[in-house]
Amino acid sequence: GAGVSQSPSNKVTEKGKDVELRCDPISGHTALYWYRQSLGQGLEFLIYFQGNSAPDKSGLPSDRFSAERTGGSVSTLTIQRTQQEDSAVYLCASSSGTGLWGANEKLFFGSGTQLSVL
Amino acid sequence: SQQGEEDPQALSIQEGENATMNCSYKTSINNLQWYRQNSGRGLVHLILIRSNEREKHSGRLRVTLDTSKKSSSLLITASRAADTASYFCASLSYNQGGKLIFGQGTELSVKP
Repeated sequence: GAGVSQSPSNKVTEKGKDVELRCDPISGHTALYWYRQSLGQGLEFLIYFQGNSAPDKSGLPSDRFSAERTGGSVSTLTIQRTQQEDSAVYLCASSSGTGLWGANEKLFFGSGTQLSVL
Repeated sequence: SQQGEEDPQALSIQEGENATMNCSYKTSINNLQWYRQNSGRGLVHLILIRSNEREKHSGRLRVTLDTSKKSSSLLITASRAADTASYFCASLSYNQGGKLIFGQGTELSVKP
């Protein structure tokens, strides 16, 4: 696609429910990132994919969080048993990944998913 | 943990003035990037400076990098109301696994 697409744009859920957030990166981009941003805060790194593998999962806050990427394209971030502190904007970004782990390339961001846990 | 710290947290200026934002980081870096965010949603890449560069320009943007002080600055000259946004620095460090670590951001308000 022309840009990074995230869905849904907004998600309201009840505490304890599971949610799935989707990211469709720019076609051909091998590197994909998930970040979380709480209100008025900076971006918190969650996980990074190079192709279908995730060399760095160090930012996932707990075992309730998981992510996968299939076909080197679409990625899904799943949050199980959501808690109110999970409320935030979840941002996905992709890059062409021609450097070390895509490290030298700029990131292209989606518009994010605003998650609200009641 | 966040690597970048930004200063100031908020900056309010008049149109036509220059805006300077500073960023500090903690470990050796490969490159440092600046992003802009409107309305708390997607970020847009502005400029990238590599660790072996000291200054870079792009239009009204000027970025400097001082690796001895582990700091960078973003200067926006002749600011416009449309420059109102949050600005984030993001550092890339091999010591951090090659991922981009973002600072807390500077909220810039340019008054017409």
